[in-house]
Amino acid sequence: QVQLVESGGGLVKPGGSLRLSCAASGFTFSDYYMSWIRQAPGKGLEWVSYISSSGSTIYYADSVKGRFTISRDNAKNSLYLQMNSLRAEDTAVYYCASYIGGPDVHWYFDLWGRGTLVTVSS
Amino acid sequence: QSALTQPASVSGSPGQSITISCTGTSSDVGSYNLVSWYQQHPGKAPKLMIYEVSKRPSGVSNRFSGSKSGNTASLTISGLQAEDEADYYCCSYAGSSWVVFGGGTKLTVL
Repeated sequence: QVQLVESGGGLVKPGGSLRLSCAASGFTFSDYYMSWIRQAPGKGLEWVSYISSSGSTIYYADSVKGRFTISRDNAKNSLYLQMNSLRAEDTAVYYCASYIGGPDVHWYFDLWGRGTLVTVSS
Repeated sequence: QSALTQPASVSGSPGQSITISCTGTSSDVGSYNLVSWYQQHPGKAPKLMIYEVSKRPSGVSNRFSGSKSGNTASLTISGLQAEDEADYYCCSYAGSSWVVFGGGTKLTVL
């Protein structure tokens, strides 16, 4: 079925690194933009980053720019988020999401994964 | 980019209608008809309820409707049901490839 499954979350110390993965299935992954969206415990949603279908266009929220790197491997139907120099305020559930209702859309999200929890604490 | 402004909470009785507002600026909500709304039950991923201000994805009840006036978008839920109790988030394109969410509104069905 059509789904996104995140993995790679866990407990990491401040200043540490973590790499999240998102495995896509049930749709033509290479046709769609992909995004990472996070939600701190008890807080609202925050857009983190998106990558175009080919990987040629990438944008980041100011809060993660220079520390996080989004990438994708269309041959493996996978999306990644490399997170470096992690801070306590990066603690959140990280969702991968996409809009598969049409191509080249990164401002709506009709497909979400279940999320993976990243905890930054000493 | 600052988050869009939503009321922290709203409530209503079964069968009633409620409206959740989402206030942005002329740089986001006011400039683009690219507003969406998401429903999130506890421990679950968000679900797209409205996109492009007022369009409903397939499978979403017609009890959910969206509108926009100036810098403020609104989500209306009519005929409230117990299962509508959830958190609701608005979202808007904000130019320069930015996307901004609202702070979320907790809907309680009394």
